[in-house]
Amino acid sequence: DQQVKQNSPSLSVQEGRISILNCDYTNSMFDYFLWYKKYPAEGPTFLISISSIKDKNEDGRFTVFLNKSAKHLSLHIVPSQPGDSAVYFCAATNTGANSKLTFGKGITLSVRP
Amino acid sequence: DAGITQSPRHKVTETGTPVTLRCHQTENHRYMYWYRQDPGHGLRLIHYSYGVKDTDKGEVSDGYSVSRSKTEDFLLTLESATSSQTSVYFCAISKDAYEQYFGPGTRLTVT
Repeated sequence: DQQVKQNSPSLSVQEGRISILNCDYTNSMFDYFLWYKKYPAEGPTFLISISSIKDKNEDGRFTVFLNKSAKHLSLHIVPSQPGDSAVYFCAATNTGANSKLTFGKGITLSVRP
Repeated sequence: DAGITQSPRHKVTETGTPVTLRCHQTENHRYMYWYRQDPGHGLRLIHYSYGVKDTDKGEVSDGYSVSRSKTEDFLLTLESATSSQTSVYFCAISKDAYEQYFGPGTRLTVT
């Protein structure tokens, strides 16, 4: 039972355009969501997070949107840069229950120069 | 960058041999985690620790054991390695159990 789903395995965008990475979840108890970025041969790095009390969180070129009714979140990268090419993982947790994150399978983003 | 290291970084071992991977942190974070990453599966939690000597199972714990005798070290042991345990293993640490910071990974090959 996959509780965090990243249904598109890959995305290719032109440099300078917007990248939109989507993530869906099924567990209504999740109340904190995170995005991680991973380059080959490196560990994932934390990118941005959002609590369920918000619907948007912004950090520079990165914005995460949360739609609780649809159990959907998205990561927007504007403008996209070639250095953004990586695998992006969505993760979720129930902060009141345990200390574990549930990860999606990841999306490979390619930004074309 | 969070002070987290993993050793060894690469290991090749034979089926049936025991293997221990080490995660070391200098951040004094309470929580530590072991994940494996496989194509098509993303990151899957093996075991985690919420304090010294306090550990719990993740979603893929069969065939693995862990120990945490001091805050800074979290060991992952494969008692008898199998080819299905060929993977990249990541350790992560967290101060508050929400934002986790990952180590560089250990690539393990079981032949």
